[in-house]
Amino acid sequence: QSVLTQPPSVSGAPGQRVTISCTGSSSNIGAGYHVHWYQQLPGTAPKLLIYGNNNRPSGVPDRFSGSKSGTSASLAITGLQAEDEADYYCQSYDNNVGGPAFGGGTKLTVL
Amino acid sequence: QVQLQESGPGQVKPSGTLSLTCGVSGGSVTSTHWWSWVRQPPGKGLEWIGEIYYTGTTNYNPSLKSRVTMSIDKSKNQFSLNLYSVTAADTAIYYCAREVSAWSFDYWGQGTLVTVSS
Repeated sequence: QSVLTQPPSVSGAPGQRVTISCTGSSSNIGAGYHVHWYQQLPGTAPKLLIYGNNNRPSGVPDRFSGSKSGTSASLAITGLQAEDEADYYCQSYDNNVGGPAFGGGTKLTVL
Repeated sequence: QVQLQESGPGQVKPSGTLSLTCGVSGGSVTSTHWWSWVRQPPGKGLEWIGEIYYTGTTNYNPSLKSRVTMSIDKSKNQFSLNLYSVTAADTAIYYCAREVSAWSFDYWGQGTLVTVSS
């Protein structure tokens, strides 16, 4: 059982927009901690995609964006491309864990 | 460009100790960053194990705290993980990672699969 809740899977056609939700609680996102997002391509390590709720590291396309409201956050991907097919994880700090905590991950399928 | 590389045995016997090292290049473990271990059971999600600062200060996930120790070797620019009394449930890909602002992870090792099996 992950501290942060994500849908197991989402899908979309090339060019479409998809969103991935991340639901937390008052001990993590709701406590004001930042949310980060990672992209994990098959067989590779996670890659930081969004940090600090809505900031993109250098090299990440602006097709990826993040938002946060209350105890939840979302990752939006516009102009879907085949190369976006991957697992996506949200992460925040959790008071009960006393450290970083991850969502269970969402598998994005590009139809 | 910071690079991290995990090393250690790929197989550990049940009730044994899992020991891994993360070598850091292109940066120093004595920088103002925390260094973490994260694991991922095959086909499952990510779990934070714990973190260490260059002073030796550590924080561990409560779910593993009784079985984990971490250490840092400034002279070798590396940090290490020991997980004791392992079971099959500890079979996972183990990643080391660098923490930056707000507990995010900007650099990751490639990961190493550790299988607990006799």
